[in-house]
Amino acid sequence: AQSVSQHNHHVILSEAASLELGCNYSYGGTVNLFWYVQYPGQHLQLLLKYFSGDPLVKGIKGFEAEFIKSKFSFNLRKPSVQWSDTAEYFCAVIPSGTYKYIFGTGTRLKVLA
Amino acid sequence: DTAVSQTPKYLVTQMGNDKSIKCEQNLGHDTMYWYKQDSKKFLKIMFSYNNKELIINETVPNRFSPKSPDKAHLNLHINSLELGDSAVYFCASSQDASRGEQFFGPGTRLTVL
Repeated sequence: AQSVSQHNHHVILSEAASLELGCNYSYGGTVNLFWYVQYPGQHLQLLLKYFSGDPLVKGIKGFEAEFIKSKFSFNLRKPSVQWSDTAEYFCAVIPSGTYKYIFGTGTRLKVLA
Repeated sequence: DTAVSQTPKYLVTQMGNDKSIKCEQNLGHDTMYWYKQDSKKFLKIMFSYNNKELIINETVPNRFSPKSPDKAHLNLHINSLELGDSAVYFCASSQDASRGEQFFGPGTRLTVL
């Protein structure tokens, strides 16, 4: 079955630290990839997306993600986190030819001021 | 203007009751979704409608029934509520079901006592 794995369930960082959140998917074909963020008490919002082209994707709020096809990965990065980045982060995949979004289990990020 | 709205925001009810959650989007999107987010923040797709046609119907109890009176609305009706139905239910919409960014509503927190 197709699945999305986010290995880090909880991450605690100090402000200005660098962030990398892992995301791996299990599907051999073409996929569209997304990262969403859910701030406390709020709904999910899109951070960035990848469909094709340059595997390094820039998103909002200084986030970026790199698609590595050979590793089935789409890791999220930010060079310097802020307290306001405290949130739950979800990786999601749509296998090509399907309509089904598959979400990862989420990573809870806490940034200490 | 709210892009994707849900009512009610909170719903507290007794086991065995029947309840509905309403969702409306004013983005002109063709596709709408219902997701369930459990207490561990795991987000699972339940249903999706594209132009009022059901395109995703995941393994959920048949006590859950979606209804799409038109493209802008997707309601969720739940019969004979059980304790395990307690969760946050998110509605979402997208322009392109196979690759598009999803816009999420604020969520409905359902508590079954």
